Amino acid sequence: QVHLEESGGGVVQPGRSLRVSCAVSGINVTGYGIHWVRQAPGKGLEWVAVIAFDGKNKYFADSVKGRFSLSRDISKNTVYLQLNAVRADDSAVYYCASGTATYYFEFWGHGTLVTVSS
Amino acid sequence: DIQMTQSPSSLSASVGDRVTITCRASQRISTYLNWYQQKPGKAPKLLIYSASNLQSGVPSRFRGSGSGTDFTLTISSLQPDDYATYFCQQSYSDIGFTFGPGTKVDIK
Repeated sequence: QVHLEESGGGVVQPGRSLRVSCAVSGINVTGYGIHWVRQAPGKGLEWVAVIAFDGKNKYFADSVKGRFSLSRDISKNTVYLQLNAVRADDSAVYYCASGTATYYFEFWGHGTLVTVSS
Repeated sequence: DIQMTQSPSSLSASVGDRVTITCRASQRISTYLNWYQQKPGKAPKLLIYSASNLQSGVPSRFRGSGSGTDFTLTISSLQPDDYATYFCQQSYSDIGFTFGPGTKVDIK
């Protein structure tokens, strides 16, 4: 059974940094791309970033490019999303997601809430 | 970037009604189009992938169709459990899997 669990959310001041984690079980991150999707309160879904199965290819939405980064720890089967220079509009529930095919998400975590506030 | 639009943004329907939601891409995306259902406070759930393929475990009253730029999600007979928000998503572009703005289905 595949399980994704996000953690690390919380309140962070504008301009500061935060790292959120996605712990994966049931599949290996070395075989599946792991995506991040966020949802601001009362808003729709926004695709944020992906780290490919090889760990080398990483892509980001224009809204976070240059501020967010991705990494992973294979030994922990965990992917990390580093949020730097956060802004108020980065406030959202951050979900990690994956799938048996690269182009749809059948596995989702429950999300972790990031609130950017002074 | 590929932009996605959905219509309507919301609709009210009764149990047993046939419901149709449309999604349009700003450029041709073949059949790289997925549909998700989301309920309040929950993660999205995959319903349809590659435009018309029903995800395992999803009731057959859900049907997806379309290719190119225009797509449709149809619920043949709305059930109480179907009241939710529905999002389309393009996966044609490797560098950004854009979602549509969503369609909220509520009780009439």
